[in-house]
Amino acid sequence: DTAVSQTPKYLVTQMGNDKSIKCEQNLGHDTMYWYKQDSKKFLKIMFSYNNKELIINETVPNRFSPKSPDKAHLNLHINSLELGDSAVYFCASSQAGGFLINEQFFGPGTRLTVL
Amino acid sequence: TQLLEQSPQFLSIQEGENLTVYCNSSSVFSSLQWYRQEPGEGPVLLVTVVTGGEVKKLKRLTFQFGDARKDSSLHITAAQPGDTGLYLCAGAHGSSNTGKLIFGQGTTLQVKP
Repeated sequence: DTAVSQTPKYLVTQMGNDKSIKCEQNLGHDTMYWYKQDSKKFLKIMFSYNNKELIINETVPNRFSPKSPDKAHLNLHINSLELGDSAVYFCASSQAGGFLINEQFFGPGTRLTVL
Repeated sequence: TQLLEQSPQFLSIQEGENLTVYCNSSSVFSSLQWYRQEPGEGPVLLVTVVTGGEVKKLKRLTFQFGDARKDSSLHITAAQPGDTGLYLCAGAHGSSNTGKLIFGQGTTLQVKP
């Protein structure tokens, strides 16, 4: 029973196209995230939503737009794809609340290749 | 910008050897986590350390949080091929219920049989 799932697993597309990646979690968590992992394996947060409200928005081009229709879903839409967008994108979720950082559960990743 | 520097970036050892991975920063973290990531999968949490000087053990893995909460180490005893993977440290600042983690660059470990 998958906790955090993402679709698609692989995405190959041409420069200039628009694409979306979907994420769903069945853990009942309040907070969901999008991360980008580059070719050097560096993992960097892009966005975070808590109860459908955007709480973290790092310096990300506005071609990237997250959308959270409900607590269990956080989708990522990317407009006008560029070569530099090629990376692995991870969705994650955690239970918010409390003073200390909680465990983040990651999806399997979506490998995006822009040609 | 808060940075976490991991060293070494790559490590290739024989089964049975011991190793230590370091995670250093000039910033103080309220807590620090270690994750392991296998190829084609997302990172999985190994441990969270919170108190300066804290030591946690997970079977053959020993995690330590520096006294000043600026650094951490992961020591693996008698490494096995199943330990192969990417090890990531991640720090959180202040009141972390926003969930924001700063990740290190990662240490790729290969354990050869």
